[in-house]
Amino acid sequence: DQQVKQNSPSLSVQEGRISILNCDYTNSMFDYFLWYKKYPAEGPTFLISISSIKDKNEDGRFTVFLNKSAKHLSLHIVPSQPGDSAVYFCAAYGGATNKLIFGTGTLLAVQP
Amino acid sequence: NAGVTQTPKFRILKIGQSMTLQCTQDMNHNYMYWYRQDPGMGLKLIYYSVGAGITDKGEVPNGYNVSRSTTEDFPLRLELAAPSQTSVYFCASRGGTADQPQHFGDGTRLSIL
Repeated sequence: DQQVKQNSPSLSVQEGRISILNCDYTNSMFDYFLWYKKYPAEGPTFLISISSIKDKNEDGRFTVFLNKSAKHLSLHIVPSQPGDSAVYFCAAYGGATNKLIFGTGTLLAVQP
Repeated sequence: NAGVTQTPKFRILKIGQSMTLQCTQDMNHNYMYWYRQDPGMGLKLIYYSVGAGITDKGEVPNGYNVSRSTTEDFPLRLELAAPSQTSVYFCASRGGTADQPQHFGDGTRLSIL
């Protein structure tokens, strides 16, 4: 029962263009969402988050959009840079739980 | 500023052996977590702790044990290593509220042969 889904295992984008990474969830009790970035042989690092009371959060080149009615969030990276090449994980907290539920990740490759 | 430190980085075990994966954090975080990541999969929660002396099971706890005697340390113990426990293990910690992100260590890559 995968509560957080990232249906695209990989994505390739040209440098300077927009990268859009998608994430769907099934549990309507989730109220806080995060994106993590992971390079090989390193742990995940926090990138950006959004509360369910918002529909957009922006931090520099990174913007996260939340559509609660569709149970969908997306991460936009503009402009994409080769250093953005990594695996991106979507994650969610729900209700009173202290547990973070992760998606399976999307490997982003930004081509120079 | 060390953050979350995991040791060892790599280990090969034989079936049936035991070992302890170490995790320590210097951010005075109450919440600590152990995850495993299998190839092509997301992170699965093994155990977590909300403070010293308090631990609870996550999604995949079988074959593992934890303890939390101090705020800083959260070791993960494998008692009888099995090939299915071959994975990359990540430890994480976070501050007091759910809107604070978890901080991860760099992982321990464990192979059971």
